[in-house]
Amino acid sequence: DSGVTQTPKHLITATGQRVTLRCSPRSGDLSVYWYQQSLDQGLQFLIQYYNGEERAKGNILERFSAQQFPDLHSELNLSSLELGDSALYFCASSADGQFYNEQFFGPGTRLTVL
Amino acid sequence: AQTVTQSQPEMSVQEAETVTLSCTYDTSESDYYLFWYKQPPSRQMILVIRQEAYKQQNATENRFSVNFQKAAKSFSLKISDSQLGDAAMYFCAYRSAKTSYDKVIFGPGTSLSVIP
Repeated sequence: DSGVTQTPKHLITATGQRVTLRCSPRSGDLSVYWYQQSLDQGLQFLIQYYNGEERAKGNILERFSAQQFPDLHSELNLSSLELGDSALYFCASSADGQFYNEQFFGPGTRLTVL
Repeated sequence: AQTVTQSQPEMSVQEAETVTLSCTYDTSESDYYLFWYKQPPSRQMILVIRQEAYKQQNATENRFSVNFQKAAKSFSLKISDSQLGDAAMYFCAYRSAKTSYDKVIFGPGTSLSVIP
């Protein structure tokens, strides 16, 4: 158990809908990262937050957005969902904002878009 | 653009033997980080080992070591004394050291089977 929690574990929804994925980092970690793992695109880095502010942005679509709240939990919002958004979404956390430092991954949220 | 290639989609190794997973990358930068991640059937990603490009010495973590060849842009992972728990998908990853450049590139992965 990495100490990072993600909810829900599974999510099934329809095209065009909007969903919110939630992540709670390890106690004391200030940085949160979001990743997408799909059969088509492989593993991709989406976005990083550090202490409430966006720190780095990767291959995140405009239909997707994220934020980190004062209590340091983070949410990833996916809107106008398409079939291709079906994937495993990981959240990871680290003590500081340095990407080189070890990130601890949550168990992921499996999103299925029908 | 940076790319990461893992040319072995699948590999197998006998328990207690040694196996090497290959990773090559393409970049024009001189300062960057390289990582190996493990994803067991539970799907949870685990950092195995990491290397800073400016360091000549190859990183080692217990049974895991890397062979970092900067000029050849190669970053292979050696697993010694393979154990059943090493069976997993292994991803090689590249990240620029430039703080203004945020892309992280993952390879397609190598599926490792360990034969008892």
